[in-house]
Amino acid sequence: KQEVTQIPAALSVPEGENLVLNCSFTDSAIYNLQWFRQDPGKGLTSLLLIQSSQREQTSGRLNASLDKSSGRSTLYIAASQPGDSATYLCAVLDGGSQGNLIFGKGTKLSVKP
Amino acid sequence: GAVVSQHPSRVICKSGTSVKIECRSLDFQATTMFWYRQFPKQSLMLMATSNEGSKATYEQGVEKDKFLINHASLTLSTLTVTSAHPEDSSFYICSARIYDRASGYTFGSGTRLTVV
Repeated sequence: KQEVTQIPAALSVPEGENLVLNCSFTDSAIYNLQWFRQDPGKGLTSLLLIQSSQREQTSGRLNASLDKSSGRSTLYIAASQPGDSATYLCAVLDGGSQGNLIFGKGTKLSVKP
Repeated sequence: GAVVSQHPSRVICKSGTSVKIECRSLDFQATTMFWYRQFPKQSLMLMATSNEGSKATYEQGVEKDKFLINHASLTLSTLTVTSAHPEDSSFYICSARIYDRASGYTFGSGTRLTVV
């Protein structure tokens, strides 16, 4: 059974710092991996989608990497801003599933001015 | 593009009543939609997969008769919480696959249900 773990559970950094969020999954047979952002009481906003054949994706100050063989992904946020404060969720789509995303519990990020 | 609209965003209902939550794909057709439940500080838990024109597939432990799912068209799926109890209070989110498995998923804005 696929399990997704995110470390750390919470992170507080001063504005301007570069930071890395970690995601690991137990079964490397994934179809793709998606990073989401969730603001309190809101739905999920997709940030980056990495296919199993890809190594990384970039969007603005965000860069996500994928090492499928080791079951790991990282989300790098450059020059963090207070507006980046949110919970970041990692989700994998199993290669053999009918389309169910499996989520980690998220990393709650707080960027202090 | 690829927007899913979910409403209501918040609802408070009395115990024993039923509540309907709607999820619409605005600019694409979604043959499959997914319904999740999220508890505080927990990850999203898949409740059921909604397929247009056919019965929903429920995850183990989810009561089919309590959480009724209807996917009558390619752009609308509904979740009805029947005979709601306080323990049904939670955050419910719907999702749709944008085009195919390679294109990722988009999510609604969620519904905060409080049963009093």
